[in-house]
Amino acid sequence: AQKVTQAQTEISVVEKEDVTLDCVYETRDTTYYLFWYKQPPSGELVFLIRRNSFDEQNEISGRYSWNFQKSTSSFNFTITASQVVDSAVYFCALSASWGAQKLVFGQGTRLTINP
Amino acid sequence: DVKVTQSSRYLVKRTGEKVFLECVQDMDHENMFWYRQDPGLGLRLIYFSYDVKMKEKGDIPEGYSVSREKKERFSLILESASTNQTSMYLCASSIIAGGGTDTQYFGPGTRLTVL
Repeated sequence: AQKVTQAQTEISVVEKEDVTLDCVYETRDTTYYLFWYKQPPSGELVFLIRRNSFDEQNEISGRYSWNFQKSTSSFNFTITASQVVDSAVYFCALSASWGAQKLVFGQGTRLTINP
Repeated sequence: DVKVTQSSRYLVKRTGEKVFLECVQDMDHENMFWYRQDPGLGLRLIYFSYDVKMKEKGDIPEGYSVSREKKERFSLILESASTNQTSMYLCASSIIAGGGTDTQYFGPGTRLTVL
């Protein structure tokens, strides 16, 4: 069975601080995909990144970066120099590479950036 | 850009009513999904469809049914709404990626309250 755990339910930081959102996953598959989505107050999930299990290179996109470590089954997300607009609920998700491509989501982390 | 729309942002229904939630995507995606989102539980898959008139149960199908008569439209049906179906409902779509999992794109969600 697949499982995603986001142990941090809520995080609150002051603007311009760096913040890391943790994601730990469980799967027996050797090939799988990991995702991060952002859900702002408007409610729509916004896709941020997709990573397959064979690509352990870290990814950087502007102030966002992702650290994928298969050895610890983690796919953590860091926001550098946070801004108020980063306030949202962030979800980590996992999918097998075969079958119906279902996503298994973590519980989500509510991030609040205070001015 | 992928556009996934849902018929209502907010919906209030009475216990026992039949409820239809509609989802339309404009990118000719084969796969469509219905999730419900509850605090502390993340998103859970209700049903999905990988082709017209095809459907498969997700993790929590009880009390729900679906219909996919056209490729772009996927409906979620609550045959007899109950208060424990009060939730946020999110629709998503994706293409069928050869040998991999493609990104799911989400609609804005429907917040359903059953009184």
